[in-house]
Amino acid sequence: DADVTQTPRNRITKTGKRIMLECSQTKGHDRMYWYRQDPGLGLRLIYYSFDVKDINKGEISDGYSVSRQAQAKFSLSLESAIPNQTALYFCATSRTGGGTDTQYFGPGTRLTVL
Amino acid sequence: TQLLEQSPQFLSIQEGENLTVYCNSSSVFSSLQWYRQEPGEGPVLLVTVVTGGEVKKLKRLTFQFGDARKDSSLHITAAQPGDTGLYLCAGKYNFNKFYFGSGTKLNVKP
Repeated sequence: DADVTQTPRNRITKTGKRIMLECSQTKGHDRMYWYRQDPGLGLRLIYYSFDVKDINKGEISDGYSVSRQAQAKFSLSLESAIPNQTALYFCATSRTGGGTDTQYFGPGTRLTVL
Repeated sequence: TQLLEQSPQFLSIQEGENLTVYCNSSSVFSSLQWYRQEPGEGPVLLVTVVTGGEVKKLKRLTFQFGDARKDSSLHITAAQPGDTGLYLCAGKYNFNKFYFGSGTKLNVKP
């Protein structure tokens, strides 16, 4: 079984709808991240959390919110989706004191906003 | 403006050729990572370099961190079709946050 799972894997929605992307991990890591990937722009950090009570904005948090329901779960919400939020979204985890700061990525969610 | 510039953006070569991918910045990073991403999957870490001038080898892949810790390169010797993918560099700043480059898409033809 995958260590970092994301649901759904694909989602098509309409402008103005509320969308939630979910991430679960079985690695026992305390740190979790949400990134979006756009062609030609690499991965950009949306939000990150270093433990259950810690939530921090990344480079591009406007239009997004997150919830860390448990150490293993980190969800990303788009309150009112817009077309320029069409992208590939990745969740990642890492461990405090992990030495090389390795981030483990989920398989991604492809979101299309019409 | 990208904090980390990767070049080239695209590279298509024949099996057996050598190649180098570059990751450049005007900023200093405490460490730099290289990832490879295949279609439909998330990025997978290849290496982390920490010390200026550091060189690390992973089979046919050689990674170098610039002396000033502002740039890095990835050299692949005798590329194989299995090396095909998107190569991403990521520089660490401000505790445990990373800036990612825009990636180099490599295609190795048999």
